[in-house]
Amino acid sequence: AQTVTQSQPEMSVQEAETVTLSCTYDTSESNYYLFWYKQPPSRQMILVIRQEAYKQQNATENRFSVNFQKAAKSFSLKISDSQLGDTAMYFCAFMGAGGTSYGKLTFGQGTILTVHP
Amino acid sequence: NAGVTQTPKFRVLKTGQSMTLLCAQDMNHEYMYWYRQDPGMGLRLIHYSVGEGTTAKGEVPDGYNVSRLKKQNFLLGLESAAPSQTSVYFCASSYYYGTGNTEAFFGQGTRLTVV
Repeated sequence: AQTVTQSQPEMSVQEAETVTLSCTYDTSESNYYLFWYKQPPSRQMILVIRQEAYKQQNATENRFSVNFQKAAKSFSLKISDSQLGDTAMYFCAFMGAGGTSYGKLTFGQGTILTVHP
Repeated sequence: NAGVTQTPKFRVLKTGQSMTLLCAQDMNHEYMYWYRQDPGMGLRLIHYSVGEGTTAKGEVPDGYNVSRLKKQNFLLGLESAAPSQTSVYFCASSYYYGTGNTEAFFGQGTRLTVV
């Protein structure tokens, strides 16, 4: 069974600084997707970034980038030049793309990020 | 384009009552999901479906049933509500096209209170 673990319940960062959120996962599949979603106080779930397991290059989206270590089953999110609007709950998620976890989307426990002015 | 729509947005139930939450998506997605979100627990998968007529159990399926009779709809049923089912429920839909990109789209959530 696939599992996703976020070991940091809360993190804080000063505006304009850089912060890294950690995520590890466990799976026996070789083909899958990984995601970071953001949930602000409005409760809306917003896709931040995604990574396809068969792509070795780390994904980037503007100020957001990931460090994908497939062998270590690690998928961390780096937020550069943090902004007050980045304050939210961040979820790491795993979607199987084959085998028994085909289509199954599993989330971690979440990390509350607070950006201070 | 409405995306993913959940009905209702709020509901209060008495212990033992039954209800059905409706999720509708207009993006022709194959995959649909029901999650519950509780403080400190993240999003926990209740049931999911990888296509019309199919359903599968997630992490916390007990006390819930689902049906996917039409591709665009995914229903979550509580046959006999319990206070432990007080939560915020999210529906999501997704797609997967071979080696292309994929992502999940979420509804706005349903806050359910069982008293």
